[in-house]
Amino acid sequence: EAGVTQFPSHSVIEKGQTVTLRCDPISGHDNLYWYRRVMGKEIKFLLHFVKESKQDESGMPNNRFLAERTGGTYSTLKVQPAELEDSGVYFCASSPTPGLAGGTGLYNEQFFGPGTRLTVL
Amino acid sequence: DAKTTQPTSMDCAEGRAANLPCNHSTISGNEYVYWYRQIHSQGPQYIIHGLKNNETNEMASLIITEDRKSSTLILPHATLRDTAVYYCIVRANFGNEKLTFGTGTRLTIIP
Repeated sequence: EAGVTQFPSHSVIEKGQTVTLRCDPISGHDNLYWYRRVMGKEIKFLLHFVKESKQDESGMPNNRFLAERTGGTYSTLKVQPAELEDSGVYFCASSPTPGLAGGTGLYNEQFFGPGTRLTVL
Repeated sequence: DAKTTQPTSMDCAEGRAANLPCNHSTISGNEYVYWYRQIHSQGPQYIIHGLKNNETNEMASLIITEDRKSSTLILPHATLRDTAVYYCIVRANFGNEKLTFGTGTRLTIIP
């Protein structure tokens, strides 16, 4: 089974430019999360999709960040315009819906992708 | 904010048991203790979780004190590949709440 994939693995852009990060969750996972770690800080939650709906976007830092999950499959996170403080590693995670995982007890485990390293110059 | 406190760093000799402590004195009755780890340049990886009973899986064991205010993650036979940052996270287990990461413990396995 393929894991969570993210694209690109690295992105270097200049301040003021736009960048779009993509996340492909594990097939069948309704829940999709975005997190990020900026330099020297802890990993912070950004937002949570359930299928195509935003369940919790309390971690989004400002309106320069726009996340979408059209069709409830892959998700994109757009930063427009990018600022220096946006540099960091952006992680995506997915998890299945509780109670639908065949009783494995892992239904609340979040599976993380490798991350996208964003550098804003 | 994270509801857990962990030592900043620890060392462990290869082949020995690594015991990573975590304090979560304000844990609520419906909250579980989760452990994740992040190996360098990878995304966080789930290890184990528990409510009040001790738990064991193929990766580790989790020992939770009777008052649930602290826990210990045990890697029984540490290998060099276990070098990582280990995060203890308190989280309600219904719904699909976000993970709140703290600073974690940087575990270094010494050859």
